[in-house]
Formats: sequence, C-alpha cells, structure tokens
Amino acid sequence: GAGVSQSPSNKVTEKGKDVELRCDPISGHTALYWYRQSLGQGLEFLIYFQGNSAPDKSGLPSDRFSAERTGGSVSTLTIQRTQQEDSAVYLCASSPGGAGQETQYFGPGTRLLVL
Amino acid sequence: GENVEQHPSTLSVQEGDSAVIKCTYSDSASNYFPWYKQELGKRPQLIIDIRSNVGEKKDQRIAVTLNKTAKHFSLHITETQPEDSAVYFCAASKGGGKLIFGQGTELSVKP
Repeated sequence: GAGVSQSPSNKVTEKGKDVELRCDPISGHTALYWYRQSLGQGLEFLIYFQGNSAPDKSGLPSDRFSAERTGGSVSTLTIQRTQQEDSAVYLCASSPGGAGQETQYFGPGTRLLVL
Repeated sequence: GENVEQHPSTLSVQEGDSAVIKCTYSDSASNYFPWYKQELGKRPQLIIDIRSNVGEKKDQRIAVTLNKTAKHFSLHITETQPEDSAVYFCAASKGGGKLIFGQGTELSVKP
C-alpha cells in the first residue's frame, strides 16, 4: 500500500515568510510524528499526535512552530516568520498506534531552505 | 531529560568484517528500541527493533542486543557488504510515543 507522503519535497523561502508543510500518513495509522533533521545531524522530535488525544508539543523549538492534524489523518506543520536556522529536512512518520505497534514509518521529507 | 548517546560517530570496516554500534539511553521507562538505516538523501528505514522484554533479536546478518540494567543496546552487522554503507540511527521510546534518536553512525564498508 501507499507509504507516508509529504509535500512539497523541496521548499525555498525568504527569511520572515511563513511556510506550510504537509504530511499524509499511512491509511489507518492513528499516530503521527514530526521530526527535524539538520544537515549531517540526527533526528530531533518536534510534535506527536495520537488519535484524539492532545498532541505532545514538547519538541517544538519556539512558538513560531505549530502543527495540526485534521480528521485524524493529514497533518500540516506551519513555521511562521522563518529564520535561517529553520533550514533542515522535516520528516513525518506514522505508526499504527497502540501497544506492540510502535514501528514508525517515515515519509521522504521536505527539504526547507530559508535564505 | 531524555537522551540517547550513540558511538562511534564513524565506522569503517572491510567487506566481510563485522560492525558494532552501541547506544546508551537515559530514561529507564523506555521500552522500545528501533534501529534505522538512512542512505544519502533518502528517508530512514527501519532495519530491526527490540522491545524491553527481550534481550536479543536476530534477522539474518543483523542482530540487536539489549541490556536493561545498564541501559545499553547494540547493533551487530555480520559479513558486511558495500551496500551496508549508510548512516545508522538508534532510538528509544516509551509507550509508543516519540522516538529519541542517537546522533548517528556513518558506516563505510570498503570492498
């Protein structure tokens, strides 16, 4: 079946502009995660949605970052007033959710460059 | 806070040799430990995972061991091949939540 998809694949923006990144999880997966990967670095957790529970926002680096998940499926990560240090690959992952079903499947990522 | 340390940061082996990557986690409540392989410009791909009720798991040339007391887990790749060259990440989570990743190991397998 279809895997996790993300759009756009690449985004170039100017400092101070807002950007929206989209994630389509695997159908039926109740858990959705956003991570950020800077060049040559590990993956940094941003935010996690599980079903109808309140999201875990503990990884968001500043109040310029926000995310929502509509209808328990598609998610959008929004970065307001982008800064050059926001340049990174933003990865989305989904998992079936629940005990014993923790495996996270990653999308291809959105490469964001802030000039 | 939660932290995962991974070593070494780079590893170079000859084809056919074994490779070992080690990770240490800080949160004793962690109960799920996956390993991901990431090739250049590609998404991370799960290669093996282990849960806290198991001490060792093997899948062909890949094995993972877990020592809960010491909060250590390791990835072992035997009979390495050039196509094993990639960056490998360990991670830890609890209750199916967020993954805390190590900083990655760049493995190079020389023919």
